[in-house]
Amino acid sequence: KAGVTQTPRYLIKTRGQQVTLSCSPISGHRSVSWYQQTPGQGLQFLFEYFSETQRNKGNFPGRFSGRQFSNSRSEMNVSTLELGDSALYLCASSSGGLISYNEQFFGPGTRLTVL
Amino acid sequence: DQQVKQNSPSLSVQEGRISILNCDYTNSMFDYFLWYKKYPAEGPTFLISISSIKDKNEDGRFTVFLNKSAKHLSLHIVPSQPGDSAVYFCAATYDSGTYKYIFGTGTRLKVLA
Repeated sequence: KAGVTQTPRYLIKTRGQQVTLSCSPISGHRSVSWYQQTPGQGLQFLFEYFSETQRNKGNFPGRFSGRQFSNSRSEMNVSTLELGDSALYLCASSSGGLISYNEQFFGPGTRLTVL
Repeated sequence: DQQVKQNSPSLSVQEGRISILNCDYTNSMFDYFLWYKKYPAEGPTFLISISSIKDKNEDGRFTVFLNKSAKHLSLHIVPSQPGDSAVYFCAATYDSGTYKYIFGTGTRLKVLA
């Protein structure tokens, strides 16, 4: 069974630009979550999608948005990039249901650098 | 407001000895806890979990202990191996309509050969 894939793996953007990251979950998984990892901050939860609906959202500004398609693939968009958005963005999939009690399967991440 | 804390950013242990990684939480609603391991250039992978109704869960070399009164959990690795060198994240969760799945800041474990 193929794992979670994320594209691109690395990205360099400049302030003010926007970026779209993509995530393909494990086949059959309907839940996709996005996290931001920065040094000293651990994994900060961005949002979770389940069956094309945003089911939960973390405390990030509206510049961060996402969506999920009917095949469970998900995209995350960040508009008006700031230097502080430089981070590793991780996508995780889960079989769904009560995600709280399920392990999540992570992709390798997209390393975003904002100059 | 960091609800899940890993106060030791790094830990070094000799091969064959015990590694103990600690995690503290503040929210008494958390009722399920997980540990993940992360190697460089890879996403975190699930290691072991424990429900709040238990105080210990064991899986091979890995044991997680939960002390609810102290809001503290720990991961014991015995014996430690060089391949265990990674960043370890604890996570705490609960579901009350909208769920919470909160990760700690991570502890970098280095097992010395």
